[in-house]
Amino acid sequence: GIQVEQSPPDLILQEGANSTLRCNFSDSVNNLQWFHQNPWGQLINLFYIPSGTKQNGRLSATTVATERYSLLYISSSQTTDSGVYFCAVGSGGGADGLTFGKGTHLIIQP
Amino acid sequence: GAGVSQSPSNKVTEKGKDVELRCDPISGHTALYWYRQSLGQGLEFLIYFQGNSAPDKSGLPSDRFSAERTGGSVSTLTIQRTQQEDSAVYLCASSLETGGYEQYFGPGTRLTVT
Repeated sequence: GIQVEQSPPDLILQEGANSTLRCNFSDSVNNLQWFHQNPWGQLINLFYIPSGTKQNGRLSATTVATERYSLLYISSSQTTDSGVYFCAVGSGGGADGLTFGKGTHLIIQP
Repeated sequence: GAGVSQSPSNKVTEKGKDVELRCDPISGHTALYWYRQSLGQGLEFLIYFQGNSAPDKSGLPSDRFSAERTGGSVSTLTIQRTQQEDSAVYLCASSLETGGYEQYFGPGTRLTVT
């Protein structure tokens, strides 16, 4: 099946810093989503981005499908940005489920 | 509108007992998905439904796991003869249709098998 690798696994930053999270995947995809898992375990949808570039406030994401990677940018980090960020991909075919990376654990210090 | 809801939010059961987990998808979503999140395995996909049909059950961890969906809406995930390794958070998601549409997740059911 498709492989998803996220980097870095852990990231500690000061409030106000910018960060870039990376997601590499091993095959073509028809779905790519970025999630933020909050401290209560809820997966919050950040971006649905199988290709192209999107922006939402301080967050933006880019997926280069031909090169099989996606980037999530967080600018002017706030302590509320802390948590685990997951990249998940769907490759279509029969299964239709998402394959998740292991996540990036982000800690923003005041 | 209302998001995906799941019940119960927490379930503690004794080894060997059967449990049923429930998922209510977003109204109008025809596709429904079950996932499991555990410390050792991360987030893993279990099964999906298009309408009431589950075309591929190979992602279920063992034959003690089963799932059904009736009326194109509510789904239940049943685990028979629970084992300690079944302890995890079970997440449900729904999307407008299958085939790469954006998935929206519920809050999950935390299952603890003692």
